[in-house]
Amino acid sequence: DVKVTQSSRYLVKRTGEKVFLECVQDMDHENMFWYRQDPGLGLRLIYFSYDVKMKEKGDIPEGYSVSREKKERFSLILESASTNQTSMYLCASRSGQTRGETQYFGPGTRLLVL
Amino acid sequence: AQSVAQPEDQVNVAEGNPLTVKCTYSVSGNPYLFWYVQYPNRGLQFLLKYITGDNLVKGSYGFEAEFNKSQTSFHLKKPSALVSDSALYFCAVRGSNYQLIWGAGTKLIIKP
Repeated sequence: DVKVTQSSRYLVKRTGEKVFLECVQDMDHENMFWYRQDPGLGLRLIYFSYDVKMKEKGDIPEGYSVSREKKERFSLILESASTNQTSMYLCASRSGQTRGETQYFGPGTRLLVL
Repeated sequence: AQSVAQPEDQVNVAEGNPLTVKCTYSVSGNPYLFWYVQYPNRGLQFLLKYITGDNLVKGSYGFEAEFNKSQTSFHLKKPSALVSDSALYFCAVRGSNYQLIWGAGTKLIIKP
């Protein structure tokens, strides 16, 4: 059974703090993703990674960075948190990139920036 | 432009009645289409996908979806709704860069 875990379910941070969100998958998937989910906007891709140490910008990378030092772990970093980064953050993983392989999601981290 | 539209923010259905959650898409080439469900305070769970073949795709929890190429639609259906089906449903299509393009989501409410 595929498992994607995220380090925190709920997080409260202050404006200007550096925030780390961690994601771990146990299925040896090559691809990993970070999304943010906001009401009425669906999911928006922040960054993705198709291999260790590789990263690609998604649709809304501004204010975020990522790190993938090991295949199973993908971290999202908010260098200086701002109130407009209050959101639900979802991590996902997927094997390969042909013929529409399924993405598997973690439970999400609800981040509140005060 | 590549896009996914879920025209209804919310769908209300009585328990036992059939349900439909609508999705239309715009993408070049043959579409790879997905439905996911999100229960309260949970991540997204995969329901079903269309890659090729039969236009009627069956998935988890008794859901199915019908691919209609001429109408560029991929509506989610279930013959008899359960209260436990109440959740947020997302449609997605694979874009030209292999990443998923997501709809805004439809909140499904099943009333007893």
